[in-house]
Amino acid sequence: AQSVTQPDIHITVSEGASLELRCNYSYGATPYLFWYVQSPGQGLQLLLKYFSGDTLVQGIKGFEAEFKRSQSSFNLRKPSVHWSDAAEYFCAVGGGSGNTPLVFGKGTRLSVIA
Amino acid sequence: GAVVSQHPSRVICKSGTSVKIECRSLDFQATTMFWYRQFPKQSLMLMATSNEGSKATYEQGVEKDKFLINHASLTLSTLTVTSAHPEDSSFYICSALARIKGGNQPQHFGDGTRLSIL
Repeated sequence: AQSVTQPDIHITVSEGASLELRCNYSYGATPYLFWYVQSPGQGLQLLLKYFSGDTLVQGIKGFEAEFKRSQSSFNLRKPSVHWSDAAEYFCAVGGGSGNTPLVFGKGTRLSVIA
Repeated sequence: GAVVSQHPSRVICKSGTSVKIECRSLDFQATTMFWYRQFPKQSLMLMATSNEGSKATYEQGVEKDKFLINHASLTLSTLTVTSAHPEDSSFYICSALARIKGGNQPQHFGDGTRLSIL
């Protein structure tokens, strides 16, 4: 069965510090992996995606993620966090032709302190 | 970029009312749209998959007669919560997949609808 685990429910970092949000997945075939960000009361915005090719993918807002098949992981990173990055982050996995619904992790809430 | 518009953004209504939520792809055709539900501080749970011109496929535990889905065109899918009750209060989000031959594309999400049933 497909599943996504985000081990950290809540992370607090100082502004300017580096960030890594963890994501592990379980999927029977080649996974398509996504990171979305959600601000309170808002929809989801796609940060980045991995379909194939280079395992280090660059996204918007300075985020990047690395696909590690051996670890079934797709961790999200940012070298220097800004206060505006405070939000909920969701990792998701899909597959096949892409015409499949996504399975989401439970999310990690990021708080940024001065 | 691909834009998905979801309307209304917020609804407050009395118990027993039926509420329709629209999901539109503004600058692309979407053969498939998905409807998710999100409870407070929880993740998104898939409710149903909506394909243009055919019946929606509902996830286990989702009442088809309660949550009516219509995907009448390549740019519009609607979710109607019939005879809504307080337990239907939630955040509903749609997503759409662009109609592109071959290749892979991500789902594009609407901004969600906050439904509150009094």
